[in-house]
Amino acid sequence: QLRLQESGPGMVKPSETLSLTCTVSGGSMRTTNYHWNWIRQSPGKGLEWIGRIYSSGSPHYNPSLERRAVISVDTSQGQLSLRLKSVTAADTALYYCAQGPRDFWSGLRHYDFHYMDVWGDGTTVTVSS
Amino acid sequence: QSALTQPRSVSESPGQSVTISCTGTTSDVDISDFVSWYQQHPGNAPKLIIYDVNKRPSGVPDRFSGSKSGNTASLTISGLQAEDEADYYCCSYADNFNYVFGTGTEVTVL
Repeated sequence: QLRLQESGPGMVKPSETLSLTCTVSGGSMRTTNYHWNWIRQSPGKGLEWIGRIYSSGSPHYNPSLERRAVISVDTSQGQLSLRLKSVTAADTALYYCAQGPRDFWSGLRHYDFHYMDVWGDGTTVTVSS
Repeated sequence: QSALTQPRSVSESPGQSVTISCTGTTSDVDISDFVSWYQQHPGNAPKLIIYDVNKRPSGVPDRFSGSKSGNTASLTISGLQAEDEADYYCCSYADNFNYVFGTGTEVTVL
């Protein structure tokens, strides 16, 4: 059973860079069968998608965050990372990593998937001086 | 990209049905076969309950169903149970290869 566990500093000062890690257990990130996402939830608010990366390939970002966010994956370590620079109080949130199946071809048929079926428990980040 | 629009809250008695709408645009819901729904109980991570507009993952009760018409997707919970009291979020794949979530709906079982 695949499990995801987020970790981070808990608190970050304004204008600094936030760095989070999502560790995968119970499975291998080396497989190319998945995509990996970061999602956040501000206190009392809804879900906001930050970005997605495949085990191999370029990431895609929420246009509102793409100038500050960098998502990377280290399959050898089984880790997904998020770096968010120049943080402000508005970046205070519970940050989740989530995994979903990626598309594949079987013969001439293309199977595409866009959902997230495995989530971590989240890690809280507070931006404060 | 703007969040998809959902009603802030819905409520109904046990055994009844509720339908939650999720309204997007011609850049997301209207053109997407990939609308998913997530259930979130307080203090817990979201849980996938519907994907590809109307498919249920294994283990999700069949009282949860999804549909779509134009730029509006819907989640219906039939035979409402106390354990269905939670927040629900829709999510759509968009034309810029990104995902966009809905604003979220709180379901209250009276």
